[in-house]
Amino acid sequence: ELKVEQNPLFLSMQEGKNYTIYCNYSTTSDRLYWYRQDPGKSLESLFVLLSNGAVKQEGRLMASLDTKARLSTLHITAAVHDLSATYFCAAATSGTYKYIFGTGTRLKVLA
Amino acid sequence: GAVVSQHPSRVICKSGTSVKIECRSLDFQATTMFWYRQFPKKSLMLMATSNEGSKATYEQGVEKDKFLINHASLTLSTLTVTSAHPEDSSFYICSARDWMVNYGYTFGSGTRLTVV
Repeated sequence: ELKVEQNPLFLSMQEGKNYTIYCNYSTTSDRLYWYRQDPGKSLESLFVLLSNGAVKQEGRLMASLDTKARLSTLHITAAVHDLSATYFCAAATSGTYKYIFGTGTRLKVLA
Repeated sequence: GAVVSQHPSRVICKSGTSVKIECRSLDFQATTMFWYRQFPKKSLMLMATSNEGSKATYEQGVEKDKFLINHASLTLSTLTVTSAHPEDSSFYICSARDWMVNYGYTFGSGTRLTVV
């Protein structure tokens, strides 16, 4: 059974600092997703990672995937207050459309 | 990307009544949709996979008679919470495959259900 864990669960950081959120999954998965959720809102898709070594960047966020280690990272560069949100990773069970969400990381960027 | 419309966004109902939530794909056909439930400050839990023209596939521990899913057309899936109780209060979100993004999925705006 596929399980997805994230750490840290909570992250409070100063503006301008860098940090990384980690996402580990337990069994083989052929795709990894990152989403952002603002309070009371639905999910916004950030990245889809489809292969080992995949790296994608959008603004101050960069995601990478290491399928051998079953690890994905979301790196935040020079954080700004607008990045405050909850970030979820999700891994898909190989061969299916079904995917399982991680525990989420609540990020708060302090001005 | 593709857009999924979910309604209502908020609903308050009395215990014992039923509530229907609609998830509609706009301008594209969604043969498969997913229904999630999210408790406050928690992650999303997959409830069921909705397949057009066939019975939904429920995850372990989800009562199929409690959460009725109907996917009667290629653009509409509905989740009906029957005989709702306060413990059914939650945030419900649907998603569908985003055909514009390779292996992408798009989410509805979510429905906040409060049972009083």
